Amino acid sequence: GIQVEQSPPDLILQEGANSTLRCNFSDSVNNLQWFHQNPWGQLINLFYIPSGTKQNGRLSATTVATERYSLLYISSSQTTDSGVYFCAVVAGGTSYGKLTFGQGTILTVHP
Amino acid sequence: DSGVTQTPKHLITATGQRVTLRCSPRSGDLSVYWYQQSLDQGLQFLIQYYNGEERAKGNILERFSAQQFPDLHSELNLSSLELGDSALYFCASSRRLEGYEQFFGPGTRLTVL
Repeated sequence: GIQVEQSPPDLILQEGANSTLRCNFSDSVNNLQWFHQNPWGQLINLFYIPSGTKQNGRLSATTVATERYSLLYISSSQTTDSGVYFCAVVAGGTSYGKLTFGQGTILTVHP
Repeated sequence: DSGVTQTPKHLITATGQRVTLRCSPRSGDLSVYWYQQSLDQGLQFLIQYYNGEERAKGNILERFSAQQFPDLHSELNLSSLELGDSALYFCASSRRLEGYEQFFGPGTRLTVL
C-alpha cells in the first residue's frame, strides 16, 4: 500500500517563529488532507489539498503531486498551535476514501 | 465543530465484553468511515460505508463489525474485547464515495481493563 512519511517527527519552537512540515508519499494520490490533533484528541481539518497551494490565515499548504510531497507552513506560531500535525492521503486507483495517515509531527510552541 | 457526532465520548469496560460505538455523519454526507488511533499503530482505517453498503475494508479484526443504517448513522461493534483494543475510535464522513474531504468526529476513547 501507499507509504506516507512526515518530517520532522518533533519540532520545538518559540512563539512567533515560523516552521515548515513536510509530507512525502510513495504513489499517486486522489486526496491529501492536513489535520491538527489538539491536546484533547480532536482532529481538526486544516487543508484539503490534493494539488496546488492554499492559504488560511497564518497557515498555508502546497502539494506537488508530480513530485509526491506536500508542505505545511505555519507562520508566527502561537502556543495554541501545539499538538500533532498529520498528513493523510487517499491513494490513486480503487482506494475509495480510505485515508492513509503519516506518523505525525509533534509541535510544541513555548511562550 | 465538524458536524460529525460520536457517542459515547468515553467508554470503560472489561476484557471479553462487547460495546457499540455510534456515529452520525454531517448532514448530506453519504460516506462514513471508521478509524482507530492507538499508541503503537497510529491512525488506521478500519472500514467505509457508502449509502448503507460496505465499500472498503482495512485492517479490521474479525471481532469488529460495523453497519450503516437507512438514516445514514453508523455503528461500530467491538466484541470479545482485549486490552489491546484500548484506543481512540474516530468516525469520519464525506459527501460521496471518493474524492471529497473527510471530516472527523470527536472520537470515542475506549479503555479495556
